[in-house]
Amino acid sequence: DTEVTQTPKHLVMGMTNKKSLKCEQHMGHRAMYWYKQKAKKPPELMFVYSYEKLSINESVPSRFSPECPNSSLLNLHLHALQPEDSALYLCASSPQTSGNGELFFGEGSRLTVL
Amino acid sequence: AQSVTQLGSHVSVSEGALVLLRCNYSSSVPPYLFWYVQYPNQGLQLLLKYTSAATLVKGINGFEAEFKKSETSFHLTKPSAHMSDAAEYFCAVSDRYGQNFVFGPGTRLSVLP
Repeated sequence: DTEVTQTPKHLVMGMTNKKSLKCEQHMGHRAMYWYKQKAKKPPELMFVYSYEKLSINESVPSRFSPECPNSSLLNLHLHALQPEDSALYLCASSPQTSGNGELFFGEGSRLTVL
Repeated sequence: AQSVTQLGSHVSVSEGALVLLRCNYSSSVPPYLFWYVQYPNQGLQLLLKYTSAATLVKGINGFEAEFKKSETSFHLTKPSAHMSDAAEYFCAVSDRYGQNFVFGPGTRLSVLP
């Protein structure tokens, strides 16, 4: 199984809503990532979890709150978002240990903030 | 620090023509290099990767890339473009642990009938 599964695929929310994006992988990878991608741009790194601990936060606003309940799951909690937060949110994982540096990506969650 | 440049934000080719997408990198450590493809409204799919083995790397869908250390390049080629190749292509560089993963700005490939 070489998949990273993201749910939901599409999400529409108002600026006062609270919602969550979920990501799951069963490849035994110990690093998991959240990326944000705007149209016609490369993915931008948001957070990295390494061995279930937050290791990188790229100065992301606190209205985005990541959570890694276990080595297979990664959540992104959303609260009081702004319309400019509308984007494709991509989850990725990597083996973390000495490998070849490849990131395995999910299909993404398309978020629209009204 | 690592970085990636991709020459040409948009490349158009005719169906059946050669596809050449350019990627140059800088890295302070032996690089691992990747090409990812992204079709509209989808995630990123790995096309191929260079991990210090053979310098000519073959990937999926008939694509290949050659690692040239002297030129710090990793250009992507396909002998004959197909309409289904129209997509966004990202070159990326990483160390072996994946935490210093850096994307290039991307090249949008259009294939004309």
